[in-house]
Amino acid sequence: EVHLVESGGGLVQPGGSLRLSCEASGFTFSSYSMTWVRQAPGKGLEWVSVIARDGATTYYAESVKGRFTISRDNPKSTLYLQMNSLRAEDTALYYCAKKMNSGTFPLDNWGQGTLVTVSS
Amino acid sequence: DIQLTQSPSFLSASVGDSVTITCRASQAISSYLAWYQQKPGKAPELLIYSASTLQSGVPSRFSGSGSGTEFTLTISSLQPEDFATYYCQQLNTYPRTFGQGTKVEIK
Repeated sequence: EVHLVESGGGLVQPGGSLRLSCEASGFTFSSYSMTWVRQAPGKGLEWVSVIARDGATTYYAESVKGRFTISRDNPKSTLYLQMNSLRAEDTALYYCAKKMNSGTFPLDNWGQGTLVTVSS
Repeated sequence: DIQLTQSPSFLSASVGDSVTITCRASQAISSYLAWYQQKPGKAPELLIYSASTLQSGVPSRFSGSGSGTEFTLTISSLQPEDFATYYCQQLNTYPRTFGQGTKVEIK
């Protein structure tokens, strides 16, 4: 059974940094692209970033480009999101999710999320 | 970026009703569309992908259709566990945008 467990969220001041982690189990982590999706309190889903199986290719939402960096450690089956220059509008529950397959495929497994609060 | 617009944003229905949610894309995305269900306090779950392919384990009362720019999610005979928020997501290009969501509530 696929398990995705996010951690690293918390309260941070505007302009600060956080690194989120997502530990994966139950599947061959290195065979799948991985994604971060966030959800501000009471709001809808916002796609944040994706990383290819080998980590060589990444894409970002315009709202986080240049501030967030997605990465992965395949031997550790762990996905990361380094978040710098945080803003109040980055406050959200951050989910990691596994892509079903490479290409035009959806997110078929999601973690339970880790909450990031950006406030002074 | 491709914009997805769902309608309605809110829907009130009764157990046993059939409901349809529409998702319109700002440009053609072939059949590269997925639907997710999210219940309060829970992570989203995949229902349908490639516009009409039912994810394993999802009840057959859920169905999807469409291509190009207009897509629909239909739930035939609503069950109590179907009251949730539904999101579409385009899988054609990056960023992989979501619709704003449709909340289905009990009448």
